[in-house]
Amino acid sequence: EVQLVESGGGLVKPGGSLRLSCAASGFTFSSFNMNWVRQAPGKGLEWVSSISSSSTYIYYAESVRGRFTISRDNAKNSLFLQMNSLRAEDTAVYYCARGDSIGAPDYWGQGILVTVSS
Amino acid sequence: QSVLTQPPSASGTPGQRVTISCSGSSSNIGSNYVHWYQQLPGTAPKLLIYRNNQRPSGVPDRFSGSKSGTSASLAISGLRSEDEADYYCAAWDDSLSGRVFGGGTKLTVL
Repeated sequence: EVQLVESGGGLVKPGGSLRLSCAASGFTFSSFNMNWVRQAPGKGLEWVSSISSSSTYIYYAESVRGRFTISRDNAKNSLFLQMNSLRAEDTAVYYCARGDSIGAPDYWGQGILVTVSS
Repeated sequence: QSVLTQPPSASGTPGQRVTISCSGSSSNIGSNYVHWYQQLPGTAPKLLIYRNNQRPSGVPDRFSGSKSGTSASLAISGLRSEDEADYYCAAWDDSLSGRVFGGGTKLTVL
């Protein structure tokens, strides 16, 4: 069974940093692209970033480019999102999602809340 | 303002057929696959349709997807109360080099 478990969320002040982690199990992590998708309170889904299976290809949404960094550790079946210079508008539930054969999210974690507030 | 345009709401009575549209452009829907997701209240999204019209195992055949040009649609037949949820379309956008989602459609079963 595919399982994705996010951790590392919480309350952070504007301008601060946070590092999200996603622990994957139930599939060969090193063979799949991975994604981060977020959802602000009461709002729709927003894709944040994607990383290919071997980290060769990395993409970011314009809203986070230059502030967020996606990475992965295939030896530890883990996905990360380093978030710097956080803003109030980054407040959201962040989902880790496995990518299917074309990279589109298929399995999703339960999500982790990040709140940016003073 | 989402790159993909969906109606904010849709509704139907049990047993009815409803469709949800998703409008994009040549750089996203027009040249890439469309996926659909269902998000039940308080839960994570779930893949409903992939590659325009394919259903993952476990998804009832009451759900179907189609695509034509720069638009896509999700159809739900034999509507049931448990179908009440938010539905999102998504596609890769070649111009943005990123994945784009529709704004979501809240489906109400009357």
